[in-house]
Amino acid sequence: QVQLQESGPGLVKPSGTLSLTCAVSGGSIRISNWWSWVRQPPGKGLEWIGEVHHTGSTSYNPSLKSRVAISLDNSKNQFSLRLSSVTAADTAVYFCATAAAGPFDHWGQGTLVTVSP
Amino acid sequence: QPVVTQSSSASASLGSSVKLTCTLSSGHSSYIIAWHQQQPGKAPRYLMKVENSGSYNKGSGVPDRFSGSSAGADRYLTISNLQFEDEADYYCETWDSSTRVFGGGTKLSVL
Repeated sequence: QVQLQESGPGLVKPSGTLSLTCAVSGGSIRISNWWSWVRQPPGKGLEWIGEVHHTGSTSYNPSLKSRVAISLDNSKNQFSLRLSSVTAADTAVYFCATAAAGPFDHWGQGTLVTVSP
Repeated sequence: QPVVTQSSSASASLGSSVKLTCTLSSGHSSYIIAWHQQQPGKAPRYLMKVENSGSYNKGSGVPDRFSGSSAGADRYLTISNLQFEDEADYYCETWDSSTRVFGGGTKLSVL
């Protein structure tokens, strides 16, 4: 059973870069899965940010594409999110998730990131 | 890209049944969707995927009270014998080769 755990700073300054890592246990990141990030602003719904395939291929939400980078670290069995030029609108709980063949079937517990001076 | 639409809220009584709807946008009526449950303060949990044919595949440990079905561009989640722990937000998800989208979510209240 794959388990996912997010980590990273809970506070980021405006115009800075948000960086999060998702550690994968119970399975290898090298399997044919999509490794993804999803966020949820306080009191709102889920928003897909983007994902990386085990081959290194990426897909991003067009609304965030210019500011997002998602990458794999095979040596540490984890994947990462970088979101640049953040504003208060990027304050959200950030989830990592994975999809084998279709929908997300495993989710991390989420981590709150607040953008504030 | 596909769009999925959900009603914002639903309610039903303890022990009764409720049917939640996820509607696919024009031109995407054959797409597979997935249902996720998010209880208050928790991460989403994968419930099942529902195909155009109406067949559905549930995730590990999902109770038998949860089932899926389909009609045209609509995909359904039916919860029977409602329990208080079913009070949650329910999101549908769909995807294609380059994107994933979520519906706005349905907040289910158990009365």
